Amino acid sequence: EAGVTQSPTHLIKTRGQQVTLRCSPISGHTSVYWYQQALGLGLQFLLWYDEGEERNRGNFPPRFSGRQFPNYSSELNVNALELEDSALYLCASSHRQFLGEKLFFGSGTQLSVL
Amino acid sequence: GENVEQHPSTLSVQEGDSAVIKCTYSDSASNYFPWYKQELGKRPQLIIDIRSNVGEKKDQRIAVTLNKTAKHFSLHITETQPEDSAVYFCAETGGGNKLTFGTGTQLKVEL
Repeated sequence: EAGVTQSPTHLIKTRGQQVTLRCSPISGHTSVYWYQQALGLGLQFLLWYDEGEERNRGNFPPRFSGRQFPNYSSELNVNALELEDSALYLCASSHRQFLGEKLFFGSGTQLSVL
Repeated sequence: GENVEQHPSTLSVQEGDSAVIKCTYSDSASNYFPWYKQELGKRPQLIIDIRSNVGEKKDQRIAVTLNKTAKHFSLHITETQPEDSAVYFCAETGGGNKLTFGTGTQLKVEL
């Protein structure tokens, strides 16, 4: 069974640009979560989608947004990139039976903003 | 839950010794407490979890204890091995809400 997959693995952008990150959950999982892992700051919750709806949002500005598609895959969009957006962006999925729990993580997208 | 404190931030032990990592939380509604291990350059992986109706859970060399009254929970690793070297994150959630993670503990097991 395939795990959570993310693309691209690495990305380099400049300040002010926009970026889209993609995530495919484990088959059968309906929930997708996005976390930002900046150096030394642990895992900061960004967004949670379940059944196509946004269920919860972390303390991030509106330029961080996303969506979930009917096949449960998800996109994270970041507009007007800033230097401090440089981080590893992790996507995770969970089964409907364990909403908000038992998260399975992807390998992440390393975003560098220059 | 919005706040999880994790200590220590770094921990160095000799191979074969035990390691203990502690977390405290503030939300009394929290009822699920997982621990994740993240090896260098890899994804975080769930290693053990505990629910609020249980005080202790053990899986081979790792165990987690929970004190709901004091709002803290701990990860215990016995007979540490070099492959235990990683960053460990505690987390908590309540009511099917989002998982809030601690800031991580860098564990180094020295030969």
